[in-house]
Amino acid sequence: DTGVSQNPRHKITKRGQNVTFRCDPISEHNRLYWYRQTLGQGPEFLTYFQNEAQLEKSRLLSDRFSAERPKGSFSTLEIQRTEQGDSAMYLCASSPGTSGATGELFFGEGSRLTVL
Amino acid sequence: AQTVTQSQPEMSVQEAETVTLSCTYDTSESDYYLFWYKQPPSRQMILVIRQEAYKQQNATENRFSVNFQKAAKSFSLKISDSQLGDAAMYFCAYSYWGGSEKLVFGKGTKLTVNP
Repeated sequence: DTGVSQNPRHKITKRGQNVTFRCDPISEHNRLYWYRQTLGQGPEFLTYFQNEAQLEKSRLLSDRFSAERPKGSFSTLEIQRTEQGDSAMYLCASSPGTSGATGELFFGEGSRLTVL
Repeated sequence: AQTVTQSQPEMSVQEAETVTLSCTYDTSESDYYLFWYKQPPSRQMILVIRQEAYKQQNATENRFSVNFQKAAKSFSLKISDSQLGDAAMYFCAYSYWGGSEKLVFGKGTKLTVNP
């Protein structure tokens, strides 16, 4: 059973560097979501895709953040010119979409970013 | 905007006992889902239980049940016969029916189960 897969699991970088995270959703899931979770907080929505189309972006997603899902399968989240405030767990989730909508999202284990 | 509030940052329970986690939410919508997700340490978040707002009957999943009070916008989770494996962060979440399925989360409740 292949669930949602995220890579890398941990990333330590210096301030000002660029980082990229990858998410492989459950196959045939049309919808893919990115969330950010900081210590002691619940996950906060960043953006979501329906197939390859990015349909919604949070105001949390500054212009240093960009997400893509080029072929409607895997997705990448890039953070440019990282800042210490970007340190967080970045969670990816997927769902079947309208054809099998139950409201449930299936989450990956997350990618933890530490910016020094 | 929808908001979800969990007023208990931490809770503890003795093994085999029952514990209730609280959640309130705010929305102007009439059709929506409510969820409880469990996040064990260093593991992925998994769904514990789901409630459709149009259903009056409270959802149950084995040892987990909810008390859904739509008028009061309250959605509590009851865990019966608590087990050591229930120790985790529990997040209450909301999503709008027919929308993007985007979840709005509360800040979570850390549940400790004492042997």
